Amino acid sequence: DSGVTQTPKHLITATGQRVTLRCSPRSGDLSVYWYQQSLDQGLQFLIQYYNGEERAKGNILERFSAQQFPDLHSELNLSSLELGDSALYFCASSLGGGPNSPLHFGNGTRLTVT
Amino acid sequence: TQLLEQSPQFLSIQEGENLTVYCNSSSVFSSLQWYRQEPGEGPVLLVTVVTGGEVKKLKRLTFQFGDARKDSSLHITAAQPGDTGLYLCAGAAYMYSGGGADGLTFGKGTHLIIQP
Repeated sequence: DSGVTQTPKHLITATGQRVTLRCSPRSGDLSVYWYQQSLDQGLQFLIQYYNGEERAKGNILERFSAQQFPDLHSELNLSSLELGDSALYFCASSLGGGPNSPLHFGNGTRLTVT
Repeated sequence: TQLLEQSPQFLSIQEGENLTVYCNSSSVFSSLQWYRQEPGEGPVLLVTVVTGGEVKKLKRLTFQFGDARKDSSLHITAAQPGDTGLYLCAGAAYMYSGGGADGLTFGKGTHLIIQP
């Protein structure tokens, strides 16, 4: 058990809809990362927060947004969903904010857009 | 943009055989992490290598960081079905000042199947 909790585990929704994915980091970790994983693209970095502030941004679409709350949990909002957004979405946390800090991943949310 | 190439992409071998998977880049990394991901779960950190030429062992798994810190390998001795999974390497940028997307770069992974 990594200590990172993601909900929901599965999500099925229709195109054009909006969903929110939730992540509780491991106790004591200040950094939260969001990744998208698909078979053809592998693990793609979306965004990182450190202690409530946005720290780094990757290949995140404008239709997607995220935030980290004062209690350090994080939410990833996906709107105007398209079929191509179907993927596994992982949250990870780390103690530090730099790339040398090992990541602790949750078990992901499998999003299916129909 | 830093890229990490992992090879082979897929590998299926019999229990008891040895194997090596590779993680290569033209970029220099300050450290390199190896993760294993099993179906339905998130990646789990196996090891971090930091020093060029470093070798770390984790039971039957041997990890090596290249002398130039651009590549790494994972060797598994006497593979077992429990070793089945997706093996991911991730390189940490040498000069990272935040704000960018290139702090930690993941390869696409090696899908390993060990058949009993």
